[in-house]
Amino acid sequence: DAGITQSPRYKITETGRQVTLMCHQTWSHSYMFWYRQDLGHGLRLIYYSAAADITDKGEVPDGYVVSRSKTENFPLTLESATRSQTSVYFCASSILPGQNQPQHFGDGTRLSIL
Amino acid sequence: AQSVSQHNHHVILSEAASLELGCNYSYGGTVNLFWYVQYPGQHLQLLLKYFSGDPLVKGIKGFEAEFIKSKFSFNLRKPSVQWSDTAEYFCAANYGGSQGNLIFGKGTKLSVKP
Repeated sequence: DAGITQSPRYKITETGRQVTLMCHQTWSHSYMFWYRQDLGHGLRLIYYSAAADITDKGEVPDGYVVSRSKTENFPLTLESATRSQTSVYFCASSILPGQNQPQHFGDGTRLSIL
Repeated sequence: AQSVSQHNHHVILSEAASLELGCNYSYGGTVNLFWYVQYPGQHLQLLLKYFSGDPLVKGIKGFEAEFIKSKFSFNLRKPSVQWSDTAEYFCAANYGGSQGNLIFGKGTKLSVKP
């Protein structure tokens, strides 16, 4: 049971570069989510997806782009990275919320932007 | 806007002490409530959840939480903490019709002294 896998685990890049964080889940969960975790802010939702080809903005979407061409993958792209996007990024997935299921989280990607 | 508040930023306890971490959520109709734990360097793991029924919910590792609707609270408790409980604890809420999104509190860091 591989669950939910994020890659890379660690990434260092420079301001202005494009970087993509990958998220893959093996449960065929309909819903997938991207959060960023920052000291003093807890977890904040960036984007979420209810199904393949359906995405929507969360609390802090600016500077990020997502896509969901396949149910199992939900990549997050920073088109032109800024230092304020240095953070730990968590991907999560869940079954349809109507079934009252919790979210399952990946191990996170620690991203540093210099 | 819907929100979740955690009262304590950092709690320091000695082993065997009792624990209570506060969590309040804003009114928003039907709400599902969760406590997640994040051990150092790891992803979030579900401790317990409340959807309906008995307001006293028991979770893993001896944790429990009580849903008090009149107080909009969902406090986490453990009668006797261990050093291994050192972690960050997040309260989260999912409001009915919110597409499965979780709104997180900012987290409470628990440090248990041996």
